[in-house]
Order: sequence, then structure tokens, then C-alpha cells
Amino acid sequence: DQQVKQNSPSLSVQEGRISILNCDYTNSMFDYFLWYKKYPAEGPTFLISISSIKDKNEDGRFTVFLNKSAKHLSLHIVPSQPGDSAVYFCAASSGTYKYIFGTGTRLKVLA
Amino acid sequence: NAGVTQTPKFQVLKTGQSMTLQCAQDMNHNSMYWYRQDPGMGLRLIYYSASEGTTDKGEVPNGYNVSRLNKREFSLRLESAAPSQTSVYFCASNRRLAGPYNEQFFGPGTRLTVL
Repeated sequence: DQQVKQNSPSLSVQEGRISILNCDYTNSMFDYFLWYKKYPAEGPTFLISISSIKDKNEDGRFTVFLNKSAKHLSLHIVPSQPGDSAVYFCAASSGTYKYIFGTGTRLKVLA
Repeated sequence: NAGVTQTPKFQVLKTGQSMTLQCAQDMNHNSMYWYRQDPGMGLRLIYYSASEGTTDKGEVPNGYNVSRLNKREFSLRLESAAPSQTSVYFCASNRRLAGPYNEQFFGPGTRLTVL
């Protein structure tokens, strides 16, 4: 049973436009959510996180939105740049040190 | 400051062989993790260690053992490798931030093929 789902395996966006990556979760005990970016042949790198006490967190071009009632979070990248082309993973935890990851969305930003 | 390092980067094993994947972090983090990444499956937690001297099973622990040798090092052992263990293995460590926030740092990965 996939507790964290990223239903879009891939996404293509024009440079300069907004990229929106989505993530759904089923476990209502999750209270902390993270987004990671992964380039080929490298380990994932942390992008941004959000606690369940907030519904939005911003860091530069990256904003994460959390809708607890819908059990849904999204990552917005504005403006999108070619260097943003990577696989993006969302992850969730429930007050422990264990993280459950989604299957990833491959973002391609077209120049 | 090397962050999280993993050795080896690549390995090919025959079914039934054993090996140990090494991981070390120089950030003085308490928690360390082993994940595997398979196509279409995302990252799945194999084992983790919340602190030196403790280890716990993750989602897919069968066929693996771990050792938290000290605060820096966390190794993953395959006692009898199987083709189903062909995967990319990532080690990570966790930094506690203010409040509820945490951040995981990942190593570059070990690509393992079991024939």
C-alpha cells in the first residue's frame, strides 16, 4: 500500500513558466513533509520542507503548499529553469525519524 | 567536509555472495539510514539508526543486516545476495533543525547488480 503517491511520472514545462509537482498521502498521522531533487547518478538533495502546522512554505523560487484536509501537497517552482530538470521526490514522516518516499516525478524544463 | 560518503560506487555480485556496503558521515548527525531505489518504486527504507547503538527495520529489511559501528559509520550487509537485491543503494544522515524540522543528506549511491 503506497502511503505517499506521486501520480505523475513525468512533467514538461517551458523555461520561465511555473512547474507544479503534486503529491498525495494516505496516512493522516504524517505531520512533516519534504521535497527532494535528484539528478542522474547522484543522491537526492533536500529542497524544502513543511510542517503540518503550516499550509505554505517558501524558499526562493520554491514554494510548498499543504492541504491537510485533502491530504495533498504540491511544489511550485517559479520561474522554471533548465537546471531544474531532475526527478523530484516527496517524502513524509509522522513524528519519527522514518521517512516514506513517493515514486518521483521527472521534470523536464524546455529551453 | 565530505558530507555522506559511500563505498563502493559500483559492485557486481553472483547470487549467494556476500558483501558489505560502507557509509560514513562527518556532520556529527545522530540518525543514519539505508534506502534502496528501484525503477517506479521511489526510495524505500531498509534500515535506520536513530542514534549510535540502535538500529531499526524499515519497509524492506529482509535479506539485509546493518551495523552502526560508531556515530560516523553505518554499514549494510548482504549475507547471501539475490537478483532481487539488484538496486541502487543510498545512505543518508539526518540533521535536526529548529522545531519539527529535519533535513536528510544523502550519499552518492552504490549501484549493485546481482547476477
